[in-house]
Amino acid sequence: NAGVTQTPKFRILKIGQSMTLQCTQDMNHNYMYWYRQDPGMGLKLIYYSVGAGITDKGEVPNGYNVSRSTTEDFPLRLELAAPSQTSVYFCASSTDRARNQPQHFGDGTRLSIL
Amino acid sequence: GESVGLHLPTLSVQEGDNSIINCAYSNSASDYFIWYKQESGKGPQFIIDIRSNMDKRQGQRVTVLLNKTVKHLSLQIAATQPGDSAVYFCAEKKAGTALIFGKGTTLSVSS
Repeated sequence: NAGVTQTPKFRILKIGQSMTLQCTQDMNHNYMYWYRQDPGMGLKLIYYSVGAGITDKGEVPNGYNVSRSTTEDFPLRLELAAPSQTSVYFCASSTDRARNQPQHFGDGTRLSIL
Repeated sequence: GESVGLHLPTLSVQEGDNSIINCAYSNSASDYFIWYKQESGKGPQFIIDIRSNMDKRQGQRVTVLLNKTVKHLSLQIAATQPGDSAVYFCAEKKAGTALIFGKGTTLSVSS
């Protein structure tokens, strides 16, 4: 069972570069999420999506963009990378946010901005 | 803002002991709570959840207790094993809103 798959696993960017973090899930979940985790901290929500074509901001959306063209994929884009965006990024999915179902996470993308 | 916190950043136990990891939450309107386990280099892994209409829920070797009076959540791990070594996060939410994560407790199990 693949679950939530994130690529790449590691990436180093220079300040000002752009990149897209990929996330795909094979569980037919409607809800998908992007989090960042800074060292020694919990996860903070960047963006989420309740279904194809629908996205919304989370707690820390500045500097990021998302799109949801299919149920399976939810890419996260950094347009102008900044050192403050050095973090571990996790994608997650769940069946139904409203009814309180657990989120299932990928193994993360470790991103360093130098 | 509202946040979920954990009482201790680290917990060290001997193999075979029972472990108790505590979490205090601040939002009395939260109605769903989750415990996640995160091993090094991995994403958070769902362990067990509990809804606010329950006080206790048991899984395999794990028990979650919810005390709504004092807004306290705990995770009990029976017969702790070296493979249980990880960072444990509690998270809370209200229906229709986002999960709020605490900072995590690092559990170290020595054999």
